[in-house]
Amino acid sequence: DGGITQSPKYLFRKEGQNVTLSCEQNLNHDAMYWYRQDPGQGLRLIYYSQIVNDFQKGDIAEGYSVSREKKESFPLTVTSAQKNPTAFYLCASRGTGENSPLHFGNGTRLTVT
Amino acid sequence: AQSVTQLDSHVSVSEGTPVLLRCNYSSSYSPSLFWYVQHPNKGLQLLLKYTSAATLVKGINGFEAEFKKSETSFHLTKPSAHMSDAAEYFCVVTNTGTASKLTFGTGTRLQVTL
Repeated sequence: DGGITQSPKYLFRKEGQNVTLSCEQNLNHDAMYWYRQDPGQGLRLIYYSQIVNDFQKGDIAEGYSVSREKKESFPLTVTSAQKNPTAFYLCASRGTGENSPLHFGNGTRLTVT
Repeated sequence: AQSVTQLDSHVSVSEGTPVLLRCNYSSSYSPSLFWYVQHPNKGLQLLLKYTSAATLVKGINGFEAEFKKSETSFHLTKPSAHMSDAAEYFCVVTNTGTASKLTFGTGTRLQVTL
C-alpha cells in the first residue's frame, strides 16, 4: 500500500541535543511538508519542499532544518535552538494539481526534557 | 490572502443524533476546501474535498459538506453520529494557483455520548 511512514512514533531527548525525525513516502509525490501540532493550536507549517534539492521555510522554521536529497525522503532536524521542541510532528505529501489533498503520516511525538 | 475559521472548538452530541461542524473561509480566489479527521495520536485522514465540481460533497463514513459561496461556509454534517466519530476535525482551505499554501483551521473536537 502507498503511504507515508514516520519514525519513530515516540522520541525522547534531553535538552540541548539535536534530533532527526524521519519521513518516507512511496506515493511518488513531489511535494512534502512538515507540520507541528500543539494542543488547541491546529497545525503550523515548519518547512515544505516542492521538488528534490529545494525547500522553503514555513511559518515557524526557526530552530528546525530539513533536507530533500531524495524524492521519497524529507527528514526534519529539531535543533537545540528550538526553544520549545516538545510537540507532535506530522509529515505530509501532496500530488500535482491545485486540488490535490495532503496525505499524512501517523506522526512522531517528541518529548524534550 | 486566505483564512479559515472553525466556529466551535468543541461539539458534543448523543449517539444517533445529527452532527454539524461549522467552517467559514475567506479567499481571494476560487478556493479548494477540505475536511480532515484526526483520531488521538494519529495523522490526519481526508474526509472529503470541494473543488468546484459540485456544491454538495459526499465523503467517507457518511459525512458530507455543502459549499455556500454567498455565506463563505463549508459546514460538515452527518445525519447520525456514531461513537467512532469522536475525534478532532479540521477544515482546510487553499486557493487555486497557490498549491503549496494550505491554511488549517484550529480544529473542532467532536464528543459523542451514549
